[in-house]
Amino acid sequence: SQQGEEDPQALSIQEGENATMNCSYKTSINNLQWYRQNSGRGLVHLILIRSNEREKHSGRLRVTLDTSKKSSSLLITASRAADTASYFCATVNNAGNMLTFGGGTRLMVKP
Amino acid sequence: KAGVTQTPRYLIKTRGQQVTLSCSPISGHRSVSWYQQTPGQGLQFLFEYFSETQRNKGNFPGRFSGRQFSNSRSEMNVSTLELGDSALYLCASSVGSTGSYGYTFGSGTRLTVV
Repeated sequence: SQQGEEDPQALSIQEGENATMNCSYKTSINNLQWYRQNSGRGLVHLILIRSNEREKHSGRLRVTLDTSKKSSSLLITASRAADTASYFCATVNNAGNMLTFGGGTRLMVKP
Repeated sequence: KAGVTQTPRYLIKTRGQQVTLSCSPISGHRSVSWYQQTPGQGLQFLFEYFSETQRNKGNFPGRFSGRQFSNSRSEMNVSTLELGDSALYLCASSVGSTGSYGYTFGSGTRLTVV
């Protein structure tokens, strides 16, 4: 079963705009990770945030984590057409040996 | 550094047959896990191996099995295939014994059962 849900399920924006995706989860976690998937291919790891961290940056990506609300958000700034993909959040439990995925957000960036 | 390699990329099988999928992790990665992705159920965890031992198994029937070899390469097997087994099967490897550093995924094997 999936850990939680992502919101929105689909997002369409213009190039240059920012894209924000939200993720909620249900149980205690060790860390939360975000992945990108292009057209049914493999997943690409974007960023990992640990349960004791609140915010993390990587290039144009900013991730926040609120463990009290069991939620996370991924912000992509100055989006590009190449950012068009599905984005998934995934949590790692305290046993630390499996990923539990959300349902994903389909992002379309129009040139 | 070579990535995670999954073979074959595509596979078409008939109901009732069995199939074996292969995954070669990144050199030095000892943890290999498998996921099934379908439009209806999304990404679901199948099982995870570390040093040839299955440490965790998802909620799948016994028709789904796997193993890991001493060189960390892993195979998963699905017996008595059903139409609902049609999916993208993804393998991921990670360094160490926990998911604390992220996972590297292969490109997947797309299985179609007819």
